[in-house]
Amino acid sequence: KNEVEQSPQNLTAQEGEFITINCSYSVGISALHWLQQHPGGGIVSLFMLSSGKKKHGRLIATINIQEKHSSLHITASHPRDSAVYICAVAQGGSEKLVFGKGTKLTVNP
Amino acid sequence: DSGVTQTPKHLITATGQRVTLRCSPRSGDLSVYWYQQSLDQGLQFLIQYYNGEERAKGNILERFSAQQFPDLHSELNLSSLELGDSALYFCASSLKRASYNEQFFGPGTRLTVL
Repeated sequence: KNEVEQSPQNLTAQEGEFITINCSYSVGISALHWLQQHPGGGIVSLFMLSSGKKKHGRLIATINIQEKHSSLHITASHPRDSAVYICAVAQGGSEKLVFGKGTKLTVNP
Repeated sequence: DSGVTQTPKHLITATGQRVTLRCSPRSGDLSVYWYQQSLDQGLQFLIQYYNGEERAKGNILERFSAQQFPDLHSELNLSSLELGDSALYFCASSLKRASYNEQFFGPGTRLTVL
């Protein structure tokens, strides 16, 4: 079993839909990262959170430390949101990040 | 643009060869992380340096080595290359040494081993 599990693996949505991507982890963590990887390969850090909720534009990330679960929400999705979204956890007491396998999102116009 | 640069963008080489990938962190960042992304394994942490010193090691093969220089740029050396080493190699940088700080990713180096 992977330490970081993401669901769904693939997601297709129509423009304007509300999207949720989930991330569950099995280890104690100091923080959780959400990353976006565009079709060209570049990786952008979207959020880094250790508790509660963060919002940036149409993106919202939440984390529940007790349940070891985080969600990434995209409101009013747009074709330019099409990318792979990757969850990564910073394990408590360790310097390294452990990554989920990613969720491939396709938003159709 | 994250401010992290990586060279080269693409590298094609043969099995058994040795290559060096270079990373320049964002101005002011002291930590450099190296990651490997392959189709079957996804993203994996290789190694981290902080202000010139190795801080953490992940799934880095013995054929691979890295260092961070006094000007804070870093190099990842891959030797005795195998077909399975073909992957995207990313470096990332952050201001502080702990992985719970935001990391800024470079554009990656795509390595193809033939």
